Amino acid sequence: DTGVSQNPRHKITKRGQNVTFRCDPISEHNRLYWYRQTLGQGPEFLTYFQNEAQLEKSRLLSDRFSAERPKGSFSTLEIQRTEQGDSAMYLCASSSTVLIKGARLSQFFGPGTRLTVL
Amino acid sequence: ELKVEQNPLFLSMQEGKNYTIYCNYSTTSDRLYWYRQDPGKSLESLFVLLSNGAVKQEGRLMASLDTKARLSTLHITAAVHDLSATYFCAVVPNTGTASKLTFGTGTRLQVTL
Repeated sequence: DTGVSQNPRHKITKRGQNVTFRCDPISEHNRLYWYRQTLGQGPEFLTYFQNEAQLEKSRLLSDRFSAERPKGSFSTLEIQRTEQGDSAMYLCASSSTVLIKGARLSQFFGPGTRLTVL
Repeated sequence: ELKVEQNPLFLSMQEGKNYTIYCNYSTTSDRLYWYRQDPGKSLESLFVLLSNGAVKQEGRLMASLDTKARLSTLHITAAVHDLSATYFCAVVPNTGTASKLTFGTGTRLQVTL
């Protein structure tokens, strides 16, 4: 069990460019979440998937943001036409709806992708 | 809208002392989580509290949940420097999205020698 992984770990881009982040969840987890965290704040929910279905999107997720989980495994988060306000840490988490090692319902977080928009 | 408030926001404490962090939330919930975050790092799961009166302990940390008061506490016993980090509580409401975590503002703990 290697945990949740995210790539890249850091991304610096210029305003107006598109960026894409990848998340690989823990292999037996069927739920995958995206959160955004700005400096000094707690993470804020963006969206989540159960298997390949995207079941909820936050109002924070503008039309410039899109997330996919095509085969119910890894997920991508794309931001189009980035703005300086998009600068944040983007966190991915996964969980399972079944009991695994006594840890049902826990969300396990990846290391995050830190985005800086210049 | 669910609100989760933590206090204090910042806590400086000496090694060996005890202290409690409080987490209040504004809607009914039977699921509350505590996470730890070191600077520049991701979140580490500490505790999952799933029922009224739940108490969990790990080392010098003990968490409890009072669903009637909508309050959770994280108690630190005989603090050591290694506990310096930011601690977040997060709540899943009983209605709405099954697993959407709403986080508190965090409590930055600094343990000094």
